Amino acid sequence: AQKVTQAQTEISVVEKEDVTLDCVYETRDTTYYLFWYKQPPSGELVFLIRRNSFDEQNEISGRYSWNFQKSTSSFNFTITASQVVDSAVYFCALSEASNYQLIWGAGTKLIIKP
Amino acid sequence: NAGVMQNPRHLVRRRGQEARLRCSPMKGHSHVYWYRQLPEEGLKFMVYLQKENIIDESGMPKERFSAEFPKEGPSILRIQQVVRGDSAAYFCASSLGQGMYEQYFGPGTRLTVT
Repeated sequence: AQKVTQAQTEISVVEKEDVTLDCVYETRDTTYYLFWYKQPPSGELVFLIRRNSFDEQNEISGRYSWNFQKSTSSFNFTITASQVVDSAVYFCALSEASNYQLIWGAGTKLIIKP
Repeated sequence: NAGVMQNPRHLVRRRGQEARLRCSPMKGHSHVYWYRQLPEEGLKFMVYLQKENIIDESGMPKERFSAEFPKEGPSILRIQQVVRGDSAAYFCASSLGQGMYEQYFGPGTRLTVT
């Protein structure tokens, strides 16, 4: 069965620190897609990234980077030089090619203190 | 280029009343999904629709809940005879297709049942 685990319920760091959010997934499909979404205090869900199971290249977008490792079934998200505006709940999600439901982790609440 | 629209943003209903939540997908998107988010939790899939068809409603309670996506107009999630446990944020998402396509989310409707 498919599952997404975000073991860190809440992380609190001081501004400018680097922070990594962990995501571990389970799936039997060989083709699947991984996503990260951000939910700021205002409540909307903002799409951040999609990763295909056949592409293990890491991705960097500004201060954000993602480390996808199939060997450990992990898709971790790092924010470099964190800012107060990064404070939000971050969700990792999984979609299998044979399915269309997004399976969500429970989310990690990230608090960036000034 | 308008994103996914949901209305109302906030809805208060007394127990036993009906709640109607509307969702207009992004332009060009014909796949619509509804998710429910309880406080402090991740999202849970409810139903997946394409124009005039319910593809998968496995996540939706069998009673009191229904969804539609007519040929013209928005998708509607309808909850009859609401109970306190229905209080949650309901998110609608749309996509170009299944699986690999990212789902773009609306701002959500926060339903409060008093």
